[in-house]
Amino acid sequence: GDSVTQTEGQVTVSESKSLIINCTYSTTSIAYPNLFWYVRYPGEGLQLLLKVITAGQKGSSRGFEATYNKETTSFHLQKASVQESDSAVYYCALGEGGAGNTGKLIFGLGTTLQVQP
Amino acid sequence: DPKIIQKPKYLVAVTGSEKILICEQYLGHNAMYWYRQSAKKPLEFMFSYSYQKLMDNQTASSRFQPQSSKKNHLDLQITALKPDDSATYFCASSQDTGFAETLYFGSGTRLTVL
Repeated sequence: GDSVTQTEGQVTVSESKSLIINCTYSTTSIAYPNLFWYVRYPGEGLQLLLKVITAGQKGSSRGFEATYNKETTSFHLQKASVQESDSAVYYCALGEGGAGNTGKLIFGLGTTLQVQP
Repeated sequence: DPKIIQKPKYLVAVTGSEKILICEQYLGHNAMYWYRQSAKKPLEFMFSYSYQKLMDNQTASSRFQPQSSKKNHLDLQITALKPDDSATYFCASSQDTGFAETLYFGSGTRLTVL
């Protein structure tokens, strides 16, 4: 089957420190994986943070970056200096980029980021 | 203003009953979806619709029936409710079901089945 595994539970980081949230994926059915990071800020709905559709490419948004590594099947999320406003739940997701795309995404469990002032 | 409206926000039902979860999107999108998140489980894809036609169904049970009366509506009817159906149900939409589409999510309906 297809699955996404990401850093479990809660990550606590002090403001201005660096962050990495790990994400790896596994697929037996998706010929052309697309990779996504979604985020849910407190009191808001899930929204796209960034996406990458080509292996080897990097996506970036709001100071966050993630590189699609096909060899290690990873898509880790990084930020050099976090802010308190980055406190949220982050979800890694896998989608089909080929002709079989029905819009289905496979999500990881989510990682809660708590940034301490 | 929220562009994807889900109603109700909270819903309590008794085992064996039937409920309808409402979803309307005002983004002009052609594709709509239902996802579910149960406690300690990831968001799980249920259905996708494009131009009011079913594209994908990953829900094993026929107790879950999407209903699309208009292009911007995708309601979810759940019959013979079970406690295991307790979850937050998220509606989403995208411009189409094509290549790396960005999904836009509603804020969810939290269903509790007693």
